[in-house]
Amino acid sequence: GIQVEQSPPDLILQEGANSTLRCNFSDSVNNLQWFHQNPWGQLINLFYIPSGTKQNGRLSATTVATERYSLLYISSSQTTDSGVYFCAVFTGNQFYFGTGTSLTVIP
Amino acid sequence: KAGVTQTPRYLIKTRGQQVTLSCSPISGHRSVSWYQQTPGQGLQFLFEYFSETQRNKGNFPGRFSGRQFSNSRSEMNVSTLELGDSALYLCAASVGGNTGELFFGEGSRLTVL
Repeated sequence: GIQVEQSPPDLILQEGANSTLRCNFSDSVNNLQWFHQNPWGQLINLFYIPSGTKQNGRLSATTVATERYSLLYISSSQTTDSGVYFCAVFTGNQFYFGTGTSLTVIP
Repeated sequence: KAGVTQTPRYLIKTRGQQVTLSCSPISGHRSVSWYQQTPGQGLQFLFEYFSETQRNKGNFPGRFSGRQFSNSRSEMNVSTLELGDSALYLCAASVGGNTGELFFGEGSRLTVL
């Protein structure tokens, strides 16, 4: 199956800092989503972004499907941004998840 | 609109027992898929149902099964529980197309003793 790699695996930021999370995938995909997993385990939708760029407040994402990667930008990070960020890609007949980036924002 | 609802949220079972988890999708979302999340294996796809039919299946043993009802609610069952089945089980709903956006429930956290 397709390989989905996320980097970095762990990230510690001071509140107010900016960060970029990366998702690489090994084959062409029909769909790509970014999620934030909160401390209670729920996966919260951030972006549905098979291609192009989207912005939502302090977060933005870019997917370059032809080069098989997506980036998630977090600006002016807050402690509530802490958690694990996953990208998921759809190809064939199912979604494949990356291993996640664990983000800790310290005050 | 109501989100994806999973019940129960937490449960504890012993080895050899069986468990049934329930998922009620967002109204109008006819596809329901299930995922298992463990620290060691990450998020793994179990199966997907659409219009009461299993459309796709991941690489899990036959002890893991599911079904979907006419109102799109879905259940998954795990029989003969093993310690390794301890995990967070997540349900996701989408409108139904293969490229549809996924919306997740809060999960059911299963502990097997």
